[in-house]
Amino acid sequence: EAGVAQSPRYKIIEKRQSVAFWCNPISGHATLYWYQQILGQGPKLLIQFQNNGVVDDSQLPKDRFSAERLKGVDSTLKIQPAKLEDSAVYLCASSLDPRHSLNTEAFFGQGTRLTVV
Amino acid sequence: SQQGEEDPQALSIQEGENATMNCSYKTSINNLQWYRQNSGRGLVHLILIRSNEREKHSGRLRVTLDTSKKSSSLLITASRAADTASYFCATDAVNRDDKIIFGKGTRLHILP
Repeated sequence: EAGVAQSPRYKIIEKRQSVAFWCNPISGHATLYWYQQILGQGPKLLIQFQNNGVVDDSQLPKDRFSAERLKGVDSTLKIQPAKLEDSAVYLCASSLDPRHSLNTEAFFGQGTRLTVV
Repeated sequence: SQQGEEDPQALSIQEGENATMNCSYKTSINNLQWYRQNSGRGLVHLILIRSNEREKHSGRLRVTLDTSKKSSSLLITASRAADTASYFCATDAVNRDDKIIFGKGTRLHILP
């Protein structure tokens, strides 16, 4: 079974530039998560999708971050404009629909390490 | 805000010893999960324990859950060098749309 795919693996940009990350979840997984993990900390949930709808984006800085999952499969996360404090690893994860499964185990991609200089 | 809080923040033990990490959380949960993260890598799911379970085993891993104390522990027996990683607990809180919220993690270092 193919895992969660993310690209790119690494990205270095200057502050005020824009950047986009891509995630392809495991086939059949209805729930998709984007997490931000700053060095030395645990992952922080940015946004959660259920199919192509947003379930929670309460911790997404909406003035600069946006995410979409138009067809309920792939997702992109965009930052525009980037700030120095956005330097982090951005992790995408997917899981089965918790409404129909007792198992909410999330499978994670390798992440995209973003450095803003 | 983070729901889970792991303890200790860092732990160094000799290879072959047992390692115990704890997690405390704030609100009622549906289930609690433990994940491992090797340096520079994504998270790997280790074990899930439901709110109506008290103990669960998987290989060298033993997880306990005490919902009255809102705490969980992860025990790794007969530790190996490959167990060196950060360990996170993640909770799926009741009435929170099945969001999976992570703690700050315990950094485990196995000494040769």
